[in-house]
Amino acid sequence: GAVVSQHPSWVICKSGTSVKIECRSLDFQATTMFWYRQFPKQSLMLMATSNEGSKATYEQGVEKDKFLINHASLTLSTLTVTSAHPEDSSFYICSAAAGGTEAFFGQGTRLTVV
Amino acid sequence: AQSVAQPEDQVNVAEGNPLTVKCTYSVSGNPYLFWYVQYPNRGLQFLLKYITGDNLVKGSYGFEAEFNKSQTSFHLKKPSALVSDSALYFCAVRDDILTGGGNKLTFGTGTQLKVEL
Repeated sequence: GAVVSQHPSWVICKSGTSVKIECRSLDFQATTMFWYRQFPKQSLMLMATSNEGSKATYEQGVEKDKFLINHASLTLSTLTVTSAHPEDSSFYICSAAAGGTEAFFGQGTRLTVV
Repeated sequence: AQSVAQPEDQVNVAEGNPLTVKCTYSVSGNPYLFWYVQYPNRGLQFLLKYITGDNLVKGSYGFEAEFNKSQTSFHLKKPSALVSDSALYFCAVRDDILTGGGNKLTFGTGTQLKVEL
């Protein structure tokens, strides 16, 4: 099956700094990438949908200026958490789709803001 | 709008016994249904999907799911559970692609499966 790589797997940062998470489709071209956030023992909450070369579409309640998404190529999307605070600590997961029926998920990134 | 319900937060089953993890859905068009499994601190692994065709779908690791349109259900099943099946299971639905839903998935709240010896 298709492989989606997410990096880093975990990151600890200081409050007020920015953190960038990368999501790469390794063996296919992803026309659409999705970013999710998952709180402990909860489901995945879609944050935004990004299409290559265009601005991301954010879900209601997600701050665009806080969570910057860039989808510059068909194999790479990045999520930057700007001016991170402890409440941003979470598990972030990306998925990528090539227009078919199925999306493929990265392994997730555990962000801890101290 | 599309939605998914997983009524059980946790399912406990003895190894070797059959298991069922329940899922019901609601969509406006034709449903595309998925099951994923998540191990601690990991992303989601695809198990199986229903798009069209046979109502009984077979997937990875011996799992299968039955699509029931009249009951709007897509329960995950396995004839004989293994301790290694213990994980968090998510049901997800996507509306018919022709309605413009794209690949946007809506996930259930997840069911923690615990298989004990």
